[in-house]
Order: sequence, then structure tokens, then C-alpha cells
Amino acid sequence: SQQGEEDPQALSIQEGENATMNCSYKTSINNLQWYRQNSGRGLVHLILIRSNEREKHSGRLRVTLDTSKKSSSLLITASRAADTASYFCATGEGNTPLVFGKGTRLSVIA
Amino acid sequence: DGGITQSPKYLFRKEGQNVTLSCEQNLNHDAMYWYRQDPGQGLRLIYYSQIVNDFQKGDIAEGYSVSREKKESFPLTVTSAQKNPTAFYLCASSIGPGAYEQYFGPGTRLTVT
Repeated sequence: SQQGEEDPQALSIQEGENATMNCSYKTSINNLQWYRQNSGRGLVHLILIRSNEREKHSGRLRVTLDTSKKSSSLLITASRAADTASYFCATGEGNTPLVFGKGTRLSVIA
Repeated sequence: DGGITQSPKYLFRKEGQNVTLSCEQNLNHDAMYWYRQDPGQGLRLIYYSQIVNDFQKGDIAEGYSVSREKKESFPLTVTSAQKNPTAFYLCASSIGPGAYEQYFGPGTRLTVT
């Protein structure tokens, strides 16, 4: 069962621009996590935001969480060609495994 | 180096053969997971194990089997009963069950012809 749904499915921007991806989910959560996947590789954890947090920063990443709207956004500022990847949100609740969305494919053009 | 390894990176099999994908971690994590990823798609959970000698079916367990005899190892067997086995398989681990951060291996791309 896939709970998180990312939007847009694909995004293409110029280097230096900001990239925003959104994630919507359906049920209550303990936390929401964002992962990056370079083509043909495993996923890498980027950031975790707990259900009682509204915003979190890590380097050029900014994540927001709105539990009333059951949505989260990932903002990558001043994007670089190396940010080209797929980005997935994953929701966590209790002892059940994380549920991943289908991802947003980001292309950053130099 | 702590991490999670999968082997081999590429695997080719003939239809009707069983094949086993390896996953090993030295992170001392209790929980381990197997996912399947098809082109342009998200991750679908095949099986997971929260502790040694225990495992649970995920969303798409049919045609797959696993074992968890050791904490560090969680091999996945793709059986001949799996109708569309060609895919990218990812193994992951986490310190505990549930909503913890997951660490992923590099993946195994299986092609069955």
C-alpha cells in the first residue's frame, strides 16, 4: 500500500533555481522522511520530520509538514546538476514499515 | 566501513529457475527489508524482518521467499512462481522496526528471460 504521493512526477529546472516537491499522505503518521535516489542506485536518507514539527532544515534542504492537510514539501535551494535524482517521501507510523511514494524525478540543467 | 551490501549487482536467469539475492549488513540493525522497484516507479515492499528468525509478508510477497537466520543477513529467493521477476531489487535495514530511518544497499538488477 502506497500512502505518500509526490507531486509533480517530474520537474526540470536550471542550475541555481529552487526546486519544490510535494508529498501528500492519507493516514496519521509519526514522522515523514525524504530520500534521494540517483539512477540505478539505492536510496539515501535526506531528512526526517516528526509529526509535531512544522519545519526542518538541513543544508540547502528545507522540509515543511502540515499534518492538518496531510502534506509535506521538500525545497532544494540553489540547485546544482548533482541534485539530479529521484526524490521519495516515506511515511512512518508505529511499528509498521515505512510506506514510500512513487517519487519526483528532478532534472537540474547546467 | 559500516553499511549494507547486496550482491551481485546484475543477475541474469532463465525463466523457471529460482534465484537468490544476497543482502548483508554490519550496522547491527534489527530490522531488514526487501523492496522491488520497476522502471519509473516507487518501492513496493516484498518482505520484512523485525528480528532474527522472524519475517512478515509485505505488499507483494507472492513468488518470493526469505529467511532470517542471522541478524546480519536477509537473503531473498525469487522463485519460478513469480510471474514478472525482472526488476531492480533493493534491500534496506533500520535500527528497529517501524518508522526509523532506513539504510539502503546498492541494489541488484535481475533480468529473467
